[in-house]
Amino acid sequence: EDQVTQSPEALRLQEGESSSLNCSYTVSGLRGLFWYRQDPGKGPEFLFTLYSAGEEKEKERLKATLTKKESFLHITAPKPEDSATYLCAVQGTNFGNEKLTFGTGTRLTIIP
Amino acid sequence: DTAVSQTPKYLVTQMGNDKSIKCEQNLGHDTMYWYKQDSKKFLKIMFSYNNKELIINETVPNRFSPKSPDKAHLNLHINSLELGDSAVYFCASSQDLGIAFFGQGTRLTVV
Repeated sequence: EDQVTQSPEALRLQEGESSSLNCSYTVSGLRGLFWYRQDPGKGPEFLFTLYSAGEEKEKERLKATLTKKESFLHITAPKPEDSATYLCAVQGTNFGNEKLTFGTGTRLTIIP
Repeated sequence: DTAVSQTPKYLVTQMGNDKSIKCEQNLGHDTMYWYKQDSKKFLKIMFSYNNKELIINETVPNRFSPKSPDKAHLNLHINSLELGDSAVYFCASSQDLGIAFFGQGTRLTVV
């Protein structure tokens, strides 16, 4: 069964203090790894898809990277509006199984 | 114009009652999902429909019954509600691999 573990569970940073969030996964053949952002009281919002080891994606202050066993979400010079829970999910190659397996997320707080 | 909308946003009900949550998407996607997010924020899939056909049915009690009248709608009916059913339920739709658009969630509280 696919598994996703995210660390740390919570992270508090000062505004401008860069850091990384970790997502470790086990999957029987990776079709894709996905990062989502979830604000309180809202549904998750898609950020990135990574398909193969070595791939990187960037969006504003966020950069996602992928290895064969884990993914990192790097946050550079964060701002208070980057505060949210960041969820990692994987989709395996089991044909016909479209489900995403999510981790429990990292709750990020950026202090002004 | 909301892409994935679900109603109601909040639902408080007594144990043993039957309730429904409705979901509609205007994105033209073929696949729709129901996810459950527990108090620890763990998001787990319950059901998936593709073009009105059930394709994923995780180990969910049969008190939960999804219904898809057309590919833009996926409703969730829950019979004989229990305390442990309290959670936030998210509807989502998808066209591309893994890129799901989620609704705002329905916070169900069973008392």
